[in-house]
Amino acid sequence: GAGVSQSPRYKVAKRGQDVALRCDPISGHVSLFWYQQALGQGPEFLTYFQNEAQLDKSGLPSDRFFAERPEGSVSTLKIQRTQQEDSAVYLCASSLYNEQFFGPGTRLTVL
Amino acid sequence: AQSVTQLDSQVPVFEEAPVELRCNYSSSVSVYLFWYVQYPNQGLQLLLKYLSGSTLVKGINGFEAEFNKSQTSFHLRKPSVHISDTAEYFCAVSDGGAQKLVFGQGTRLTINP
Repeated sequence: GAGVSQSPRYKVAKRGQDVALRCDPISGHVSLFWYQQALGQGPEFLTYFQNEAQLDKSGLPSDRFFAERPEGSVSTLKIQRTQQEDSAVYLCASSLYNEQFFGPGTRLTVL
Repeated sequence: AQSVTQLDSQVPVFEEAPVELRCNYSSSVSVYLFWYVQYPNQGLQLLLKYLSGSTLVKGINGFEAEFNKSQTSFHLRKPSVHISDTAEYFCAVSDGGAQKLVFGQGTRLTINP
């Protein structure tokens, strides 16, 4: 079956631009997670949804970061007024029980 | 707060040699432990997980790991590596099935012919 998909795979933004990153989870998966992976580092938690409810957003680095999952399926991570330090790979994962399945990630480069 | 330490940032080994990638964690609650592999430009793939029960866990591609509660460790092992095992390996911990993962910094495994 289809896995977690993310789009776009690569995004180049000029500093100050807004970006939107999309995640399509595995069908039926209740839980959805976003992680940020800086170059040469392990992924770091950003936010977590259970269905459409955002239960934990403690990892969002600033109020420029916003995530939504309005119908409990597709999720969008939005970054406003991008900064160079936002350059990273953004990973999405979905889960039904105790295993998270990861998408390929979106590599964001802010110039 | 939970944390994970991967003691080696890089591990070079020869093909068909054994390998051990070390992982130590800290947590104040019961934990679930995971090892993920990441190939270049790809997402993370689960190698194995410890949830409960037997402390020796077997995963895909011939990897295994042993949970040691007294030493708070979860080291990953493979008796004989292959060129295709070249990748970045991440150890992770969570305190529940639907909870966020806390990752280590990763260990780059390089296999030399």
